[in-house]
Amino acid sequence: ILNVEQSPQSLHVQEGDSTNFTCSFPSSNFYALHWYRWETAKSPEALFVMTLNGDEKKKGRISATLNTKEGYSYLYIKGSQPEDSATYLCAFYTGTASKLTFGTGTRLQVTL
Amino acid sequence: GAVVSQHPSWVICKSGTSVKIECRSLDFQATTMFWYRQFPKQSLMLMATSNEGSKATYEQGVEKDKFLINHASLTLSTLTVTSAHPEDSSFYICSAEDRGYGSYEQYFGPGTRLTVT
Repeated sequence: ILNVEQSPQSLHVQEGDSTNFTCSFPSSNFYALHWYRWETAKSPEALFVMTLNGDEKKKGRISATLNTKEGYSYLYIKGSQPEDSATYLCAFYTGTASKLTFGTGTRLQVTL
Repeated sequence: GAVVSQHPSWVICKSGTSVKIECRSLDFQATTMFWYRQFPKQSLMLMATSNEGSKATYEQGVEKDKFLINHASLTLSTLTVTSAHPEDSSFYICSAEDRGYGSYEQYFGPGTRLTVT
């Protein structure tokens, strides 16, 4: 059974704060690491698909890094805004199983 | 980006009845779709992988006779919860895989909240 862990479970920050959260995954049989943003009552939205050790990806104020050797990825949000409030999910994709295994997510709340 | 719809968004049914949930890829063809289930405060758990024109592959512990999956076209997969019971009450969400660019990216529907009374 693959274990994907995310921390913290929830986070409450003020507008303008920068924040980051962690996704830990098995370092063996790695194929890809996916990040999703999931707002209430909406579909999870794909943020990044990361495949190479040392990858860094950026989308606006959100960026992510990947370390496949030690099995972790960080998601950073710079200058958080209320619209960033959502649950951020990471999912580990192993080529051998051809499926995503999700973490439980980090729920971010940004207040004014 | 790719859009996946799911219908209905919520449904309440009586114990013993069956409920069908539809998952459609609106602007791309999906040979593979996935069905997940989420219990409160838990992660999305894969129930089954649905391949167009063939039988679904179920994860360990998921009853294939209870959760019937049909993937009759490249844009539609359905999940039927047969003889539903209160313990089947959960959040069900589908995704469709787009392999067009080799990224194996999955696009999700908005989910269906099932309540069995």
